[in-house]
Amino acid sequence: DTAVSQTPKYLVTQMGNDKSIKCEQNLGHDTMYWYKQDSKKFLKIMFSYNNKELIINETVPNRFSPKSPDKAHLNLHINSLELGDSAVYFCASSVQAGSNEKLFFGSGTQLSVL
Amino acid sequence: GNSVTQMEGPVTLSEEAFLTINCTYTATGYPSLFWYVQYPGEGLQLLLKATKADDKGSNKGFEATYRKETTSFHLEKGSVQVSDSAVYFCALGGTSYGKLTFGQGTILTVHP
Repeated sequence: DTAVSQTPKYLVTQMGNDKSIKCEQNLGHDTMYWYKQDSKKFLKIMFSYNNKELIINETVPNRFSPKSPDKAHLNLHINSLELGDSAVYFCASSVQAGSNEKLFFGSGTQLSVL
Repeated sequence: GNSVTQMEGPVTLSEEAFLTINCTYTATGYPSLFWYVQYPGEGLQLLLKATKADDKGSNKGFEATYRKETTSFHLEKGSVQVSDSAVYFCALGGTSYGKLTFGQGTILTVHP
């Protein structure tokens, strides 16, 4: 069984559209994350939730809105998509929100904005 | 703020060659250090970690030692295999909340 699963795997859309990426973890972890990986493989954290509460919100445009209906799910909604949003988005989870924690990553969603 | 610098890639080696991927960091306090690996088409997986100075993390033949005096955490493997071809990321643990700061990634290609 997949530990951290995200859908869709590929997302191709036009500029200006609104889209969502879903993430679910079946590991019983308390903490979930969204990371963005650009075309040069550089990874940067966007958000983190601990038990449905937002604990990290890096300088991300307001067009990006995470939602955590329960601690097993963290979805990412993006409004008014721009060309620069094209990237691979990774969901991850960890047992808890600590500095030594091992992160478990999903396989990524490749977003292409045309 | 925290930052991680990895050696530029891509790195191309023949099978059974020795591998070193350099990683240095800047941080306040005493962060944990990690190496993650990303195989083609997959998410990142933890390869190894070290939580304090002089700790050595090891897994699957890979090793890295937490060197506080040189602020480094270089990844090494004595004999690489084709299956080691992947992108390797050095990462720094945050002081709280599990926030990781990643290096830019190093692409490794191993030829038979």
